[in-house]
Amino acid sequence: GDSVTQMEGPVTLSEEAFLTINCTYTATGYPSLFWYVQYPGEGLQLLLKATKADDKGSNKGFEATYRKETTSFHLEKGSVQVSDSAVYFCAPHNTDKLIFGTGTRLQVFP
Amino acid sequence: GAGVSQSPRYKVAKRGQDVALRCDPISGHVSLFWYQQALGQGPEFLTYFQNEAQLDKSGLPSDRFFAERPEGSVSTLKIQRTQQEDSAVYLCASSLVGQGGQPQHFGDGTRLSIL
Repeated sequence: GDSVTQMEGPVTLSEEAFLTINCTYTATGYPSLFWYVQYPGEGLQLLLKATKADDKGSNKGFEATYRKETTSFHLEKGSVQVSDSAVYFCAPHNTDKLIFGTGTRLQVFP
Repeated sequence: GAGVSQSPRYKVAKRGQDVALRCDPISGHVSLFWYQQALGQGPEFLTYFQNEAQLDKSGLPSDRFFAERPEGSVSTLKIQRTQQEDSAVYLCASSLVGQGGQPQHFGDGTRLSIL
């Protein structure tokens, strides 16, 4: 079945450091790809999306590129802030459902 | 509000009791989804509605779980004879349509604790 593999956390960074969170997936067909973020005590929020190969999704300084040949959708940010501390979920969307990984916790220290 | 609304936010029940969780989607959203999120895990799909039709219930873990959306708007997830392993956060999401690149918008969830 469809599945997602994310790098294990927590990822601990100092403010202004570069962030990469790896995500690879297996899916039948041609899924749309999403990153969701869950801040402490809050629900899931859409961060960015890409719907076809080589599309780049971006939002709030975060970027991810749909790589069909490597079935990957890695999340990057050039300079993280303390307020970016949260759990990040990569999620392909195939047919009717989102498939979530276990999430990657990011902790940013000043 | 304009977002997905879930109630109650917190629910504590004794093992064996029945519970009902409510979801009020974004107005005009055709599709509605339920997910279960265990502590420290990602959400797992339970079921999907398009309007009032339940098109996919493959994720429901047992026949104790039942969901409905009788008028194509508000949905209720019911769990009968609750067990401790049912303790989790139950998330509801809605989208304009169920397929393709439409994002799903999530509520804050109902945290269910079974004693």
